[in-house]
Amino acid sequence: QQQVKQSPQSLIVQKGGISIINCAYENTAFDYFPWYQQFPGKGPALLIAIRPDVSEKKEGRFTISFNKSAKQFSLHIMDSQPGDSATYFCAARGYGGSQGNLIFGKGTKLSVKP
Amino acid sequence: EAGVTQFPSHSVIEKGQTVTLRCDPISGHDNLYWYRRVMGKEIKFLLHFVKESKQDESGMPNNRFLAERTGGTYSTLKVQPAELEDSGVYFCASSQDSVLWGDLNSPLHFGNGTRLTVT
Repeated sequence: QQQVKQSPQSLIVQKGGISIINCAYENTAFDYFPWYQQFPGKGPALLIAIRPDVSEKKEGRFTISFNKSAKQFSLHIMDSQPGDSATYFCAARGYGGSQGNLIFGKGTKLSVKP
Repeated sequence: EAGVTQFPSHSVIEKGQTVTLRCDPISGHDNLYWYRRVMGKEIKFLLHFVKESKQDESGMPNNRFLAERTGGTYSTLKVQPAELEDSGVYFCASSQDSVLWGDLNSPLHFGNGTRLTVT
């Protein structure tokens, strides 16, 4: 129950296309769902996050779609750019948990081709 | 502001040896976390300090791992003796708040990690 399943493992998208990464969870006690972006040699950096009381959050070209009943959430990157090439991690935090006690997915390596 | 600093960036040691990883959080961040990513796997939580106190160490794999944060500033993570399965990237992160509901404007800040290879 303390898992977040992320897919696909890797993704290749043409410049200008839409990148979609999906995550699923079982534990209904999760209350915070962030996405992290990691470039080679760097640590993960918070990209965008959502709480389960909203179904969508958009920041620039990045959108989280959240389906509470299906226990799924996804990251959409619109107009994907080569600079978006990185590894993306979804994560979740249990209710009442500290800011940093996150459960991560296994990551998706995104390559955006020029 | 300076970010979270970790060193060394890489460490290669033999099985049975001891290694100590260091993390300097962002100044003023009371909350410090250690995470580990074994190759191809998810990033896993190891433990959480609030100042110098261990708030949650439920993710520590076994008693070969010892984390300290004397004085509530920098932290060290010692692995003794190291085993092959300890290889991976060890991340440190810090945050200003550990509010239960989560302040989305107070995110985790990760360091660049220490890549540990045990041969």
